[in-house]
Amino acid sequence: DAKTTQPTSMDCAEGRAANLPCNHSTISGNEYVYWYRQIHSQGPQYIIHGLKNNETNEMASLIITEDRKSSTLILPHATLRDTAVYYCIVRVERDNQGGKLIFGQGTELSVKP
Amino acid sequence: DTGVSQNPRHKITKRGQNVTFRCDPISEHNRLYWYRQTLGQGPEFLTYFQNEAQLEKSRLLSDRFSAERPKGSFSTLEIQRTEQGDSAMYLCASSRRQGGSYEQYFGPGTRLTVT
Repeated sequence: DAKTTQPTSMDCAEGRAANLPCNHSTISGNEYVYWYRQIHSQGPQYIIHGLKNNETNEMASLIITEDRKSSTLILPHATLRDTAVYYCIVRVERDNQGGKLIFGQGTELSVKP
Repeated sequence: DTGVSQNPRHKITKRGQNVTFRCDPISEHNRLYWYRQTLGQGPEFLTYFQNEAQLEKSRLLSDRFSAERPKGSFSTLEIQRTEQGDSAMYLCASSRRQGGSYEQYFGPGTRLTVT
């Protein structure tokens, strides 16, 4: 699975959009981009995933560049409860493979009042 | 959908004792994963099951660790002869195929402290 690079930490003002970047320059054509977050002392929470197209759900938007070498997770109106570590993960999805998640260090997002 | 549940939530044990953790996945999820997370690090994969078959084990899973998933429902993770280095959060996740992908849903974890 491709390696990802994320900034170690970021700050965001409450109510503003939080834009979390992720670099995955070695991604291959059949690898998906996944985002999870982990609030302190809780299990990771699935946020969103995509392959080529931009995706949006009730939690966030995922913007994937045309060459797929990077992506951005957007939390449109960050709240204090969005303070967490955000992990960007890329992996292949095949029925005969386990699909284990390989977590990096992630980005620690602090939303400030 | 009651989510993934794990029991106990906290376990304190003395070095050398055996411990067992339980994970109940989301119903109808055929895949179940175990991860371990130490302070300040991201979760690390330990093992995974598809139905009742254990299909992959990490090198992190020493011979003191064993996992089972009888009947393809709940799973147990046992650690024998615990060591202080086993102190960590043990996370369970489950998934099933939805469209072309498998999103994993995590439980709250079991925090193990070995004294």
